[in-house]
Order: sequence, then structure tokens, then C-alpha cells
Amino acid sequence: GAGVSQSPSNKVTEKGKDVELRCDPISGHTALYWYRQSLGQGLEFLIYFQGNSAPDKSGLPSDRFSAERTGGSVSTLTIQRTQQEDSAVYLCASSLYGRQGTNIQYFGAGTRLSVL
Amino acid sequence: AQKVTQAQTEISVVEKEDVTLDCVYETRDTTYYLFWYKQPPSGELVFLIRRNSFDEQNEISGRYSWNFQKSTSSFNFTITASQVVDSAVYFCALSGNTGNQFYFGTGTSLTVIP
Repeated sequence: GAGVSQSPSNKVTEKGKDVELRCDPISGHTALYWYRQSLGQGLEFLIYFQGNSAPDKSGLPSDRFSAERTGGSVSTLTIQRTQQEDSAVYLCASSLYGRQGTNIQYFGAGTRLSVL
Repeated sequence: AQKVTQAQTEISVVEKEDVTLDCVYETRDTTYYLFWYKQPPSGELVFLIRRNSFDEQNEISGRYSWNFQKSTSSFNFTITASQVVDSAVYFCALSGNTGNQFYFGTGTSLTVIP
């Protein structure tokens, strides 16, 4: 019955370091989304997973960003060689079904990433 | 293009006033869905409503109501008799029937002053 869980809640890192952000979706949800929310901005789509299908990576801003979803459940977003412009809140959402529009996405509280 | 515009960046109202948050969307899809989410200071977006493009009936849920007008591509959200707990950032979002993306507006920050 738990909601979407993200960890860590806050991450401070030095420029050039790699970081991993974790998302535990709601149990039984087949679809999982990652978004980035910069200060004062809307949500920027990053990547979408649906079941065992190939992920939709069309929103990843550069090849420094990658994500995996293991066993159709937990997902990890990895940012390599972090830059200051990567500082943002990274939000994860899951939904029961993956079909567009039928989704109601349930969001985690996010990971606030600060790159010094 | 798929796009959501929330022109109101910040709104402040005094408690018990009514307030309307505007949302205008653009889409080429004939079938699409519109959403409103609330993001309180805790940061977790909370789902409020989903409306599909074939259903233009307005909806009321307690103090919340939504006005969907396809003719003006708008899906506005009204809070009646606002309360301090309504203070949050509100996002409007669009999902079409092509692709997997949801398109979010930039949000409207609502402050309800006691």
C-alpha cells in the first residue's frame, strides 16, 4: 500500500562525480516515469518504462544520463560526470497501466540534487 | 506541437476568496487527456483530476471545480472559498494518444493568505 518511494531525498555532489537516484514504484504498477524539475520550471520528461518493452529515452538530455529498471520494479537513474546545470529535483512516477492518457501517475517526493 | 501553458506564475488570494487557475493546451491528437496535479511544499505531486477529450462536462469535487472547453483549448481549475491548505503549486498536464510523454505546464504557485 506504500506510495512511490525515492532515495535519497537530498544529494549533494561535486562536479564531475557520478550519482545514482533510486525509485521504488507502487507495487503492481507497470509503468514508470522519470522527470526533472528545475527551479521555477515545469516537469521535464526524461524517460519512460513500460513492462518489458524498450524504454522511451527520448527525454534524456545527454548521454551522461541513463536509467535502468530491474525486474520491472525498482529503477535507478544515473547521471555521470555531473554538471552544475544538473542541479534540480528528480521526480519519479508510476502508473498502473502504460497506455497514454489512461495513466494516473503517482509521484514520489523527489530527490533534490545539488551539484557544487 | 504538444504544449501546456499556465500563464499565471504566482497568485495570492485572501482566505475564503475564490480563485481560478488557467490552463491552455495545444495538441494535434484527437484523443487526449488533461490532468491537474497539486504540489504542496512537501514536494510530492498529488493527482487531482483526469479528463478525456470526449467529455466536456464540467466537474465539481467539494470546493474544486474544473471547466473544460475544447473550443478555447482550456481546462481551468477553480477553488471556491480558498483555504490556507490550498497553498501549493498547481500543474496542468496533457497526454495525447501518440508517444508516452506527459506535457506539464510550468505551474501556478498559489498562496492563500489567512
